[in-house]
Amino acid sequence: AQTVTQSQPEMSVQEAETVTLSCTYDTSENNYYLFWYKQPPSRQMILVIRQEAYKQQNATENRFSVNFQKAAKSFSLKISDSQLGDTAMYFCAFMKGGGGADGLTFGKGTHLIIQP
Amino acid sequence: SAVISQKPSRDICQRGTSLTIQCQVDSQVTMMFWYRQQPGQSLTLIATANQGSEATYESGFVIDKFPISRPNLTFSTLTVSNMSPEDSSIYLCSVDLQRGSSAFFGQGTRLTVV
Repeated sequence: AQTVTQSQPEMSVQEAETVTLSCTYDTSENNYYLFWYKQPPSRQMILVIRQEAYKQQNATENRFSVNFQKAAKSFSLKISDSQLGDTAMYFCAFMKGGGGADGLTFGKGTHLIIQP
Repeated sequence: SAVISQKPSRDICQRGTSLTIQCQVDSQVTMMFWYRQQPGQSLTLIATANQGSEATYESGFVIDKFPISRPNLTFSTLTVSNMSPEDSSIYLCSVDLQRGSSAFFGQGTRLTVV
């Protein structure tokens, strides 16, 4: 079974600052995917970024980037030039690869607050 | 991408009753997933619903409590049976269009049991 750990229950930064959310995971799988999801108060789950484990290059989506360290089983999210709209819960999630039918395993989440 | 319509968006129910949540997808998908998010908590997978076969339940969830239907490739329902206040949660359905691409989520059903 997989586990996902987010050690920061809450973080608060000033607008325009850079913030990094941490995530570690444990798995015996070699083929898997990692995700960061954002959940604003509307409770809609929104994909922020995804990473394929077999790709060494870190994924980037505009202001969002990850630091994927496969050997250390670490998958942190960096948000640059943070904006008020980034305020939300952020969940790190794991999905096994291959042809299985497994869902996502989520971490407990980090509540990110962007202060004006 | 996929557009998922989930109904109802919220409900307040009496203990001992049952609520059926519907999830409609705008494209055909093989797998649909149901998650529970207890207040202030993360998402936990309840079960995986594959069209044409019985749903597969995760540890701690049983079919008698959370029966699932999957009549076709675009629709699924989750029933929360014999509800108690501990069932008060957000319930979300989700689909994968392609393994590992991303999971798309419905907007969730906020259930309060009184």
